[in-house]
Amino acid sequence: GQNIDQPTEMTATEGAIVQINCTYQTSGFNGLFWYQQHAGEAPTFLSYNVLDGLEEKGRFSSFLSRSKGYSYLLLKELQMKDSASYLCAVRGRVDSSYKLIFGSGTRLLVRP
Amino acid sequence: GAVVSQHPSWVICKSGTSVKIECRSLDFQATTMFWYRQFPKQSLMLMATSNEGSKATYEQGVEKDKFLINHASLTLSTLTVTSAHPEDSSFYICSARDWASGRYQETQYFGPGTRLLVL
Repeated sequence: GQNIDQPTEMTATEGAIVQINCTYQTSGFNGLFWYQQHAGEAPTFLSYNVLDGLEEKGRFSSFLSRSKGYSYLLLKELQMKDSASYLCAVRGRVDSSYKLIFGSGTRLLVRP
Repeated sequence: GAVVSQHPSWVICKSGTSVKIECRSLDFQATTMFWYRQFPKQSLMLMATSNEGSKATYEQGVEKDKFLINHASLTLSTLTVTSAHPEDSSFYICSARDWASGRYQETQYFGPGTRLLVL
């Protein structure tokens, strides 16, 4: 079956660093995505990992370990606007039309 | 980046009526579009995969006769919620794949979503 786990909520302080973890068990693996979603809005793309290692993109970095079925999203220099839900999504096998399976999302609250 | 639009952005309807939601890729051709549903404080649940010129593929537990999907062109997919009931009230989001972009990792672009409230 498909299973993607993330913490439900996290709280952090403005200017700090926060790490959001994601573990997955899926039938086939063709990439892991992180999306940011503000309340009432559609998700926006943050990062993509298909090989093991760290991908850095400005204040956001994402790490993947395929052997462990594990990823994390690292947010540095937190800003108030980073308060949002962060969704981990895994793309299945090529013959599954590249559909994304989403985790339940992590609601991040950034406090002053 | 690529743009995907949805119409309407929100709709209120009476129980028993049908509602059609449009998803358009504005600056690229989308042979595949996806329809998701999201309940408050929950994640996105894939409902179906819409392929241009062929029948949609529905996820387990999604009634194909209730959620009619039509992907008649490379830039338009529609989702019709037939005989809507209050439990169908949700946030419906579509996404579209851009085959030609060459940017493999960013192949799904999300629309802004449609909020449906069934009274």
